[in-house]
Amino acid sequence: SAVISQKPSRDICQRGTSLTIQCQVDSQVTMMFWYRQQPGQSLTLIATANQGSEATYESGFVIDKFPISRPNLTFSTLTVSNMSPEDSSIYLCSVGGLVETQYFGPGTRLLVL
Amino acid sequence: GDSVTQMEGPVTLSEEAFLTINCTYTATGYPSLFWYVQYPGEGLQLLLKATKADDKGSNKGFEATYRKETTSFHLEKGSVQVSDSAVYFCALSDQGGTSYGKLTFGQGTILTVHP
Repeated sequence: SAVISQKPSRDICQRGTSLTIQCQVDSQVTMMFWYRQQPGQSLTLIATANQGSEATYESGFVIDKFPISRPNLTFSTLTVSNMSPEDSSIYLCSVGGLVETQYFGPGTRLLVL
Repeated sequence: GDSVTQMEGPVTLSEEAFLTINCTYTATGYPSLFWYVQYPGEGLQLLLKATKADDKGSNKGFEATYRKETTSFHLEKGSVQVSDSAVYFCALSDQGGTSYGKLTFGQGTILTVHP
């Protein structure tokens, strides 16, 4: 299994600002994913980030709002831009593992005021 | 597209009771199926998985069998403990094309176990 860390673990931000979330993995992985979990809701995939290519966004998510970087095989960032209270969520990164299993980071709890 | 439907919650049980959380899915291919658990204040942890029809995944006393004929992957445990209180998510993984590896989650079921 992979060990995944995220920074920050939580943050409180003002509307209109941007926050960049970091995801670090202890081994090289090809596929990384970013999910959003809104309060009391299930997880929704934002985008898939593969090293060396542009991120692939799911329906309803756009690069201008959620730009993603994937500079190497152990690291990725997700930026939540021009935030509004509706962006208050837990943001999780995950990596693909053995036999299609995904391992998740601890999440970043974001509150936008 | 792919979808996962879990039984309505929350579920409240007494310790040592039998647990079933229903999960059905819709997929175009032959997905892998997973149960993830989220303990209070923590991230998601993989509980068990099954990658093909009739496979049984098991872990920590929990079991689920991949039933292709009924497109189901129900989670069961014979005797729950207070420490099992958590949110349980059923999920499937697409196996092909540009969506490879993407997880589609059910809505989650909150389980509370009382002493």
